[in-house]
Amino acid sequence: DTEVTQTPKHLVMGMTNKKSLKCEQHMGHRAMYWYKQKAKKPPELMFVYSYEKLSINESVPSRFSPECPNSSLLNLHLHALQPEDSALYLCASSQVNSPLHFGNGTRLTVT
Amino acid sequence: KNQVEQSPQSLIILEGKNCTLQCNYTVSPFSNLRWYKQDTGRGPVSLTIMTFSENTKSNGRYTATLDADTKQSSLHITASQLSDSASYICVVSYTGGFKTIFGAGTRLFVKA
Repeated sequence: DTEVTQTPKHLVMGMTNKKSLKCEQHMGHRAMYWYKQKAKKPPELMFVYSYEKLSINESVPSRFSPECPNSSLLNLHLHALQPEDSALYLCASSQVNSPLHFGNGTRLTVT
Repeated sequence: KNQVEQSPQSLIILEGKNCTLQCNYTVSPFSNLRWYKQDTGRGPVSLTIMTFSENTKSNGRYTATLDADTKQSSLHITASQLSDSASYICVVSYTGGFKTIFGAGTRLFVKA
């Protein structure tokens, strides 16, 4: 089992819905990440939080809104998504220059 | 341009055989290189991490090599098992470690 826990495992939402993805780690890592992964493609970085502050935003549309309430939690708020946003959303955590520890992801389907 | 290229794109081998996956990168300034294994529907799991000064690192039946001069890395899998069927992703970090570039991955199929 992974040490990074993501909920829910699966999510189906309509284009007018608002939902949130949650990620939790208790390894004391101070960097947390959101990645988006389409089928048969590598993960694409969306956001990086370092010491609970947003340090990298890879030009992600505003319909994705990250939040880091504390050093163990990372949320991704979703609003007015498009069908092309359907993907596996992966959360990861790390110390600097250390391997990323990934969760098993949330499989998101936008209808 | 910072890039990570992996080959082959996919590979089919028989159980018990060895195989080698390749990763070439043009990333600067280099911080570290990692190999991940990703099973279908799961998150990637780290196999090895190598910094500039390391040439070889092993993790069980997985052995990674790094040639920082030619900017090439390989992942050698010995005595393959059915459970080795997965995508293997090469990830290179730069500018202090937060910036990473993922290779497109090699999809390995191990058949009985």
